[in-house]
Amino acid sequence: AQSVSQHNHHVILSEAASLELGCNYSYGGTVNLFWYVQYPGQHLQLLLKYFSGDPLVKGIKGFEAEFIKSKFSFNLRKPSVQWSDTAEYFCAVLTGTASKLTFGTGTRLQVTL
Amino acid sequence: GAVVSQHPSRVICKSGTSVKIECRSLDFQATTMFWYRQFPKQSLMLMATSNEGSKATYEQGVEKDKFLINHASLTLSTLTVTSAHPEDSSFYICSASQGKNYGYTFGSGTRLTVV
Repeated sequence: AQSVSQHNHHVILSEAASLELGCNYSYGGTVNLFWYVQYPGQHLQLLLKYFSGDPLVKGIKGFEAEFIKSKFSFNLRKPSVQWSDTAEYFCAVLTGTASKLTFGTGTRLQVTL
Repeated sequence: GAVVSQHPSRVICKSGTSVKIECRSLDFQATTMFWYRQFPKQSLMLMATSNEGSKATYEQGVEKDKFLINHASLTLSTLTVTSAHPEDSSFYICSASQGKNYGYTFGSGTRLTVV
C-alpha cells in the first residue's frame, strides 16, 4: 500500500525566512500529488497539486512544490514566509486509478514575528 | 469555488447514544464523498468512501456497523456514530469530489466528544 512521509513534524521559522517542507511517498506507479494547508480552526484548503507536466508547480499564496520522480519526493517551498502562514501542512498522494487520498502525518509550521 | 458544509462543528454526547454528522456539497454535485478521522497531532485516516446510491466502502479496521454512512443524494452524505463510546471521541472530516481530476473539497470538521 502507498504511504506518505513528512519528516518535519514541527517547524519554527522567523518571518521572511525561507521554507522547505519534505514529503516522500512510496509507490512505483503514476501518482497525483497534493499539498493542503489547515489554518487553526479552519478546514483543509488546497495549496497546489501535481498531475502531470512541469514538475515545478506553483500554488496559492506564493507556495510552490517540485515533483522529483527519482526521489519520490514532492517538497513544498516558499521563499519568504509570513506570520499568517502559521498552520498545519499536509502532503497527500493519489495513486493509479484510486480516488482515495493518502495523507502524510502533517507538519506544523509556526512563524514568529 | 466548491464549498462543503459539515454540521455540527462540535458535539458532545453521552456514552451509548448515537450521533449523526452531515456533509453537504453546496455548489456542486459530489459523485464521491469521503469520511476521515483525525487524531490529535496525527494525519487524516480514511474511514470510508461513499458513492451516491450505493453502499459505502470501508477501510480495513473500520467497523461498518458502528460508523453508518449514507449517501442518499449527490449533495449529501451522513455519518452516524452508533452507540458511541469515549474512544470514539475524535475529529471527523468529510470530503467531496466530482472526480479526481476536479480535486477534493473538505468540510470544516466535527469535533465529537463522548462523555
